[in-house]
Amino acid sequence: KAGVTQTPRYLIKTRGQQVTLSCSPISGHRSVSWYQQTPGQGLQFLFEYFSETQRNKGNFPGRFSGRQFSNSRSEMNVSTLELGDSALYLCASSLGSRGALVQGEQFFGPGTRLTVL
Amino acid sequence: DQQVKQNSPSLSVQEGRISILNCDYTNSMFDYFLWYKKYPAEGPTFLISISSIKDKNEDGRFTVFLNKSAKHLSLHIVPSQPGDSAVYFCAAKGTGNQFYFGTGTSLTVIP
Repeated sequence: KAGVTQTPRYLIKTRGQQVTLSCSPISGHRSVSWYQQTPGQGLQFLFEYFSETQRNKGNFPGRFSGRQFSNSRSEMNVSTLELGDSALYLCASSLGSRGALVQGEQFFGPGTRLTVL
Repeated sequence: DQQVKQNSPSLSVQEGRISILNCDYTNSMFDYFLWYKKYPAEGPTFLISISSIKDKNEDGRFTVFLNKSAKHLSLHIVPSQPGDSAVYFCAAKGTGNQFYFGTGTSLTVIP
């Protein structure tokens, strides 16, 4: 079974630009969560989508948004990029049942490394 | 505000010895705790979890201990192997499916 894929793997943007990151979950998984990883902050939860609906949201400004398509693929968009948005963005997929996550059935992709200049 | 903290950014251990990774949390409403392992250029992979109603969970060489009164959990790896060298993240589950991660501890197991 193919794992979680994220594209692109690396991205360089300048301040003020916007960016869209893509995540393809494992086949059959309906939940996709997004995280931001920065040095010193660990992984910060952005949001979770399940069946095309945002089910949970972290404490990030409105510049960070996402969506999920009917095939469970998800995109994350960041508008008006700031230098502090430079980070590794990880997505994770799971079947979607709440119990699955606590059993560790949340599978992470390799991430997209975003650099904002 | 960091609700899950890993105060040791790095740890070095001799092969065959015990590795102890620590994690502290502030929210008494967390009901599940997990440990993830991350190699460079890969996403984190699940290692072991524990419910807040338990104080210990064991899986092979990995044991997680939970001390609710101290809001502290630890991961023990015995015996440590060079392949265990990675960054370890602890995570806690809050309401819904929201997870809070620590900043990670980089473990190096010296052959």
